[in-house]
Amino acid sequence: AQSVTQLGSHVSVSEGALVLLRCNYSSSVPPYLFWYVQYPNQGLQLLLKYTSAATLVKGINGFEAEFKKSETSFHLTKPSAHMSDAAEYFCAVRGGSTLGRLYFGRGTQLTVWP
Amino acid sequence: DSGVTQTPKHLITATGQRVTLRCSPRSGDLSVYWYQQSLDQGLQFLIQYYNGEERAKGNILERFSAQQFPDLHSELNLSSLELGDSALYFCASSGTSGAATDTQYFGPGTRLTVL
Repeated sequence: AQSVTQLGSHVSVSEGALVLLRCNYSSSVPPYLFWYVQYPNQGLQLLLKYTSAATLVKGINGFEAEFKKSETSFHLTKPSAHMSDAAEYFCAVRGGSTLGRLYFGRGTQLTVWP
Repeated sequence: DSGVTQTPKHLITATGQRVTLRCSPRSGDLSVYWYQQSLDQGLQFLIQYYNGEERAKGNILERFSAQQFPDLHSELNLSSLELGDSALYFCASSGTSGAATDTQYFGPGTRLTVL
């Protein structure tokens, strides 16, 4: 079975500061991992995905994530936060016999202070 | 804009009623997924259809059903509604039946409020 844990339901940073959103996964098979962002009153937008091609994955809007098998982690980072990054971020995992379904974490609300 | 459309955007109804949510996938996508987002349960997978056939079932209640039509649009039917069914319902589409690397594109959601 697959599952995802996002540590910290709320993260606050100042504009220009490093963004670090944590995601740990559990999977009995090689996982495929995703980060989605949800802006207020909108659907989910894919930020990036790990598909085993490279452990460091670069996504849109300056975000990147590193897959660490030994730590079962896939943390999302951005060197310098911007006000427009304020949103809710979801980590998701999929793999094995579960076909296409995604298992989502509970989400992390990112607040960016001016 | 993901290319996935959902209607209606908002739906307010009473307990015991039945509603239908509609989803049109991105052009060319054969798979449609339905997810429910609530404060209690977070984002939960409900059901997947691929080219008209049911492919996978998640935590979908027996009061809920779905189908995918020949033109590939999908409908999620919710009946005997309860207060706890109030949630945001998302539809997502993808190009394959479930390749692990496949990207799912999400629609803007339908917010259902049951009074």
